[in-house]
Amino acid sequence: DSGVTQTPKHLITATGQRVTLRCSPRSGDLSVYWYQQSLDQGLQFLIHYYNGEERAKGNILERFSAQQFPDLHSELNLSSLELGDSALYFCASSVGIKGELFFGEGSRLTVL
Amino acid sequence: AQRVTQPEKLLSVFKGAPVELKCNYSYSGSPELFWYVQYSRQRLQLLLRHISRESIKGFTADLNKGETSFHLKKPFAQEEDSAMYYCALRAPSGNTPLVFGKGTRLSVIA
Repeated sequence: DSGVTQTPKHLITATGQRVTLRCSPRSGDLSVYWYQQSLDQGLQFLIHYYNGEERAKGNILERFSAQQFPDLHSELNLSSLELGDSALYFCASSVGIKGELFFGEGSRLTVL
Repeated sequence: AQRVTQPEKLLSVFKGAPVELKCNYSYSGSPELFWYVQYSRQRLQLLLRHISRESIKGFTADLNKGETSFHLKKPFAQEEDSAMYYCALRAPSGNTPLVFGKGTRLSVIA
C-alpha cells in the first residue's frame, strides 16, 4: 500500500505519559499534516510540515510537538497526557502546499 | 476567521429520495471549498472541489457566495452513499490549512 501509513493504530496509555505517533506520507508527497478528531469536535488542524520545515501551526498544545524527518516521515509527540487528549489523530499528505490531501487511517489514542 | 458549519450531525433519507447536506462557511473573500467523505472502514477521501465543478458519484455542490454556502446535493440517494461527509475550506493564497466542519452522517434507508 503506497498510501499514507500511520502507526500505531491503537494506543492506550495513562495520564502523565508520553507517546509518539508516526506517519509515513505517500511516495512523492512533501507535505504532512496532523489533525486531531475528538468527540463532537470534528477535525482540528494541529500542524503542517513541508519538506522538513514547519509551515503552519493550528491549535496545537505546548505539550505536543512534531517534526518531519529527511525521509519525509513525521512524528507527533504528545507529552504529559491528559484524559482530554484521547482522540483520533489523523495524518494527511499532499504533493505540495495546496494539493489534495490524502489521509491515513488514523491513530486512536486512549488516555486512562 | 475561517469557519465551516455543518448544521446537521445526522441526516437520514430513504433510498431514491433527494439528499442535501448543508455547509455554510465564514470567510472574507473567495475560498477554496471541498467535500470529503469517509465510508465505513475506509479513509477520509476527497469527494469533490468547487473549482472543478464536477459531479462525482452523482453528487454536486454549488458555491453560493451570497449565502456563503456550499451545499452537497444528490437527486436520488443510494444505500452506498451512507457515510460521514465533511465540508472543508481553504484560503486560496498563503500557507493556510484545510479547515473542516464537524461533519454530517448520512444514513440512507432501504
